[in-house]
Amino acid sequence: GAVVSQHPSWVICKSGTSVKIECRSLDFQATTMFWYRQFPKQSLMLMATSNEGSKATYEQGVEKDKFLINHASLTLSTLTVTSAHPEDSSFYICSARDLAVPDTQYFGPGTRLTVL
Amino acid sequence: RKEVEQDPGPFNVPEGATVAFNCTYSNSASQSFFWYRQDCRKEPKLLMSVYSSGNEDGRFTAQLNRASQYISLLIRDSKLSDSATYLCVVGDSSYKLIFGSGTRLLVRP
Repeated sequence: GAVVSQHPSWVICKSGTSVKIECRSLDFQATTMFWYRQFPKQSLMLMATSNEGSKATYEQGVEKDKFLINHASLTLSTLTVTSAHPEDSSFYICSARDLAVPDTQYFGPGTRLTVL
Repeated sequence: RKEVEQDPGPFNVPEGATVAFNCTYSNSASQSFFWYRQDCRKEPKLLMSVYSSGNEDGRFTAQLNRASQYISLLIRDSKLSDSATYLCVVGDSSYKLIFGSGTRLLVRP
């Protein structure tokens, strides 16, 4: 099946620093990628929809200036958590929609962010 | 009211048991329906898509009732490896997925 990678798989950073997370579709083209966040014992919550070559669409309550998304190519989207704080500690997961199979989203393995 | 509601469980069953999970969704315009499985500290993995006609994949059977906005998953002959959290997921016309909070299944020897 289609493979989506994320890097890094985990990161620990100090409060106030910025962290960049990469999401790559390895063997297919993805015009649309989605970024989710999952807090402990909760479900995935969609943060934003990332479209190649255009601005991301953010869900209500998600600050676009804090969570910067760039989708510069058909295989790469990045999420930058700017000025991270402890409450941003979470499991960040991306998914990619295959151009050829639009109903299906393939999930990356997730990035566990801990902000001290 | 949550858009996708599930009983959080946990469902604690012996190996070999049959277990059923239910899910309701609030948006009648929803277009696609799925069950995902998520293991602890891992990403969700697609278990199966769900159709009104019902679909079966080995020990797993999924059913959709659009009129009642209700989705079900039946697992027969439970295995220890089935222990996980099962997520009911609903998609809209723009391919956005809304996840339920999940139902935890524990299969004991």
